[in-house]
Amino acid sequence: TQLLEQSPQFLSIQEGENLTVYCNSSSVFSSLQWYRQEPGEGPVLLVTVVTGGEVKKLKRLTFQFGDARKDSSLHITAAQPGDTGLYLCAGTTPVGQNFVFGPGTRLSVLP
Amino acid sequence: SAVISQKPSRDICQRGTSLTIQCQVDSQVTMMFWYRQQPGQSLTLIATANQGSEATYESGFVIDKFPISRPNLTFSTLTVSNMSPEDSSIYLCSTSGPFVDTGELFFGEGSRLTVL
Repeated sequence: TQLLEQSPQFLSIQEGENLTVYCNSSSVFSSLQWYRQEPGEGPVLLVTVVTGGEVKKLKRLTFQFGDARKDSSLHITAAQPGDTGLYLCAGTTPVGQNFVFGPGTRLSVLP
Repeated sequence: SAVISQKPSRDICQRGTSLTIQCQVDSQVTMMFWYRQQPGQSLTLIATANQGSEATYESGFVIDKFPISRPNLTFSTLTVSNMSPEDSSIYLCSTSGPFVDTGELFFGEGSRLTVL
């Protein structure tokens, strides 16, 4: 069974601070996605990373895929209350195209 | 990306009853997925609904408890049968796209069930 771990599980910070969320596995994934889920909504795709070492930026969010395609990080610069939500990483396995979700990081950005 | 609509968005149900959740996609899709998200938890895949064949269930989920229909390429239903309080969760419909191998999933807004 391929598992994804996320850290931290919970994070409460002040507006304007920076933060990094980590997603780790002992398994290789053909691609990895980050989603954000707000209360009462379904998860919304933020980014997909496919190539080992890849870095993608989405405004104040920077995503990195590990060289070995086993881990990823999400860095948020100058966090805002609108960034509050549950951040989920998910991986696509190389065989069988199964989707595996991490346990999530619940972020709260206080004004 | 696909737009996915679910009904009902929320419901309160009595123990022992069954509830059917509907999922409508605005375009034809090959694979549709049903997930469960228990309070404060991540997503757990219940089953993959394929048009024209029976759904494929994940370990721990059975057809008698969670029957699924997939009558066409834009619609699916999930029934939660003989409900108990442990079934209180958010149930999410999802589809993949545009390319399955990139692993991108698009979700409905979810159906929040509370079983008393």
